[in-house]
Amino acid sequence: NAGVTQTPKFQVLKTGQSMTLQCAQDMNHNSMYWYRQDPGMGLRLIYYSASEGTTDKGEVPNGYNVSRLNKREFSLRLESAAPSQTSVYFCASSRMEGAGELFFGEGSRLTVL
Amino acid sequence: AQSVAQPEDQVNVAEGNPLTVKCTYSVSGNPYLFWYVQYPNRGLQFLLKYITGDNLVKGSYGFEAEFNKSQTSFHLKKPSALVSDSALYFCAVRDSGNTPLVFGKGTRLSVIA
Repeated sequence: NAGVTQTPKFQVLKTGQSMTLQCAQDMNHNSMYWYRQDPGMGLRLIYYSASEGTTDKGEVPNGYNVSRLNKREFSLRLESAAPSQTSVYFCASSRMEGAGELFFGEGSRLTVL
Repeated sequence: AQSVAQPEDQVNVAEGNPLTVKCTYSVSGNPYLFWYVQYPNRGLQFLLKYITGDNLVKGSYGFEAEFNKSQTSFHLKKPSALVSDSALYFCAVRDSGNTPLVFGKGTRLSVIA
């Protein structure tokens, strides 16, 4: 099993450009999450989707949008990238909202110049 | 709202010695507690969790953690550290409702040969 797959792994953007981070899981999990990891800040939740058809804001949603395309896929979009969005982004999934452990992708490293 | 504190940014231990990585938490009601490990340039991997039951939880790679309700702590331990245990460790918590995991800022463990 591939688990949680994120694309792209690396991306460099200029301020104001847009992009979408893709995430797919093959574990038939109901819930999916987007976190960002910054030095000294740990992981902070951006958005999550408890089940197909629902999305909710996390701790740091400003500047991001998400789409739960189907049960497998959960994308994160930056409409107008800013240098403050330079980070490593992790997608994760779990069997049900909150109850089980999270399974993480390998991360997407984004640099905004 | 739930929160997690990992009071040490860095823990250094000699190979073969016992190790402890500290975590304290704050939640309303009963906590669900997790430990994750992150190796360089990788996603987070699940180590162990406490939901209910025995206060001493055993997990992957010889790690264990002790839940202490009165001290609101969930410290990660291992009797004999290995160099390969060197990594970034995250404690996470959520309440027993349907809320996403909240992560601590992480503790970097360095095991010296």
